[in-house]
Amino acid sequence: DIQMTQSPSSLSASVGDRVTITCRASQSISTYLNWYQQKPGKAPKVLMYAASSLQSGVPSRFSGSGSGTDFTLTISSLQPEDFATYYCQQSYSTPRTFGQGTKVEIK
Amino acid sequence: EAQLVESGGDLIKPGGSLRLSCAASGFTFSNAWMTWVRQAPGKGLEWVGRIKSKIDGGTTDYAAPVKGRFTISRDDSKNTLYLQMSGLKTEDTAVYYCTTGPPDDYWGQGTLVTVSS
Repeated sequence: DIQMTQSPSSLSASVGDRVTITCRASQSISTYLNWYQQKPGKAPKVLMYAASSLQSGVPSRFSGSGSGTDFTLTISSLQPEDFATYYCQQSYSTPRTFGQGTKVEIK
Repeated sequence: EAQLVESGGDLIKPGGSLRLSCAASGFTFSNAWMTWVRQAPGKGLEWVGRIKSKIDGGTTDYAAPVKGRFTISRDDSKNTLYLQMSGLKTEDTAVYYCTTGPPDDYWGQGTLVTVSS
């Protein structure tokens, strides 16, 4: 199985900050990488798919990059509604493993 | 508007069986590859398994912790996805979501399965 490792596990940031979350795959997954946002008590929602494709309706302050084993999700200017937990997921092979999550908290 | 509604979650004793359902509407369910994802209380997301559309073979894949105990099936005539769970363990306690995955990315609200004696 492909292991997905996110860093950091949590971070504190202020509104307006630039935030970067990284995700590393245990083997090359090309660009078969999704990013999800989850708020407490809610189902996850996809932000990015294919590493850098912005899901319809997602604000452009979110961006994704990377290929192979190393990927990044960037929030260019953190907004109050962005405080949540973020997960990466590989869609290269089954099982479609998730990273352990990164909780973005208010500083 | 596309919608997925899970049902069937319950409190069940270890070793027991349970069937979850996921009713789909607002999109062409028969064409969709459907996935179950679970989340244990206070924990991260875990991919459980997937079923392809019948036109793509209708095959299933499972995560190692559930393989041989869980079975995913679909009834396209009823626009419904199922997760048959048997040999339940306490570590199967979680909210179970059905989803289409991206790019459509439809999710249900989740249904809670609690495995406890």
